[in-house]
Amino acid sequence: NAGVTQTPKFQVLKTGQSMTLQCAQDMNHEYMSWYRQDPGMGLRLIHYSVGAGITDQGEVPNGYNVSRSTTEDFPLRLLSAAPSQTSVYFCASRRAGRRVYEQYFGPGTRLTVT
Amino acid sequence: QQQVKQSPQSLIVQKGGIPIINCAYENTAFDYFPWYQQFPGKGPALLIAIRPDVSEKKEGRFTISFNKSAKQFSLHIMDSQPGDSATYFCAASRELPGGFKTIFGAGTRLFVKA
Repeated sequence: NAGVTQTPKFQVLKTGQSMTLQCAQDMNHEYMSWYRQDPGMGLRLIHYSVGAGITDQGEVPNGYNVSRSTTEDFPLRLLSAAPSQTSVYFCASRRAGRRVYEQYFGPGTRLTVT
Repeated sequence: QQQVKQSPQSLIVQKGGIPIINCAYENTAFDYFPWYQQFPGKGPALLIAIRPDVSEKKEGRFTISFNKSAKQFSLHIMDSQPGDSATYFCAASRELPGGFKTIFGAGTRLFVKA
């Protein structure tokens, strides 16, 4: 199993550009989540999904869109990038019925918005 | 905004020492208190977790101590090794109907000197 994979590893955007961060998992996990990690702030939940076709907002959803058309994939879209979205983004997945903290994280995408 | 306050921000110990990382939470409605370990360039990985009705949990060299009345919990690393050098995050998690909530601490960067 590849586990949770994220692409790209690094990305530089100009303010106002759009892009999609990709996340895929091959563990057949029902739950998937997106977090951002900023210095001195830990990880904050952006959006999550409990299954294909079902998504919900987390703690910091503004400026981000998600959709979940398959169990495997959970892309995160930035519609109009802003410097405040400079961060490291982590995708995570979990099997339904497992403890809430038993998440598997991807390796992250480092995004810089200039 | 619910918070989990983590201290210290950084910690340097000699090999064989016992680093202690502390966390305090504000809301009592959490089901689990996990710790994650993160190496540079990688995503966080679950280390150990405790329920609020348990005062201590050990897994190998890692121990969580939990003080429910003080709303505090801590991670102790026995016989620390240079390979333990990483960033450690505490968190507070709960299941919700159709979702979940996890609040992370800001992280502690640990360096174990050889």
